[in-house]
Amino acid sequence: DARVTQTPRHKVTEMGQEVTMRCQPILGHNTVFWYRQTMMQGLELLAYFRNRAPLDDSGMPKDRFSAEMPDATLATLKIQPSEPRDSAVYFCASGLSSGRTPDTQYFGPGTRLTVL
Amino acid sequence: DAKTTQPNSMESNEEEPVHLPCNHSTISGTDYIHWYRQLPSQGPEYVIHGLTSNVNNRMASLAIAEDRKSSTLILHRATLRDAAVYYCILRDMDSNYQLIWGAGTKLIIKP
Repeated sequence: DARVTQTPRHKVTEMGQEVTMRCQPILGHNTVFWYRQTMMQGLELLAYFRNRAPLDDSGMPKDRFSAEMPDATLATLKIQPSEPRDSAVYFCASGLSSGRTPDTQYFGPGTRLTVL
Repeated sequence: DAKTTQPNSMESNEEEPVHLPCNHSTISGTDYIHWYRQLPSQGPEYVIHGLTSNVNNRMASLAIAEDRKSSTLILHRATLRDAAVYYCILRDMDSNYQLIWGAGTKLIIKP
């Protein structure tokens, strides 16, 4: 049963520290999405990759957030420096886009980040 | 971006059908209608999607109005495990395939 995996599942850190979240998409999927979820804002798209190339990162605070796909099996989301307002659950999702029909997005379990 | 409107919450009895409505009056011809749900403490999961015709799968049915300005997700026999937040989302194939998430409908199932 193929699944998206995310590490760590929980992270508590202090303001100003660097945070790196990792995602392993489902093997063979060519799209990766990073979302952030808070009670106030709901689910927000941060970044979107297709075939490892970033297509859209307009939802991401550029000064402190960065998203990369070093290879097809790993996506990373980095926050440096972290701030208390970054506290949220961060979800990674992957899908298989053919370009003709919308791909189903498969979500990981999320990383719950708390910045003190 | 086309928007969707859903009730904040709905209640239903266990083992009864549930009809979850969604309005999308500004839908364009290329927008697919997607439904996802999020169980407590989990990531969202795909439920169903459609463009113009009604759709059925093992989880649910999707009924799309003829003018496509509204749709209804139908759970034929709700169980306690169906308690979740259900999101109705439009996805424009002419854009970058983004899913624009609304607040969703919290479905409460009463035993």
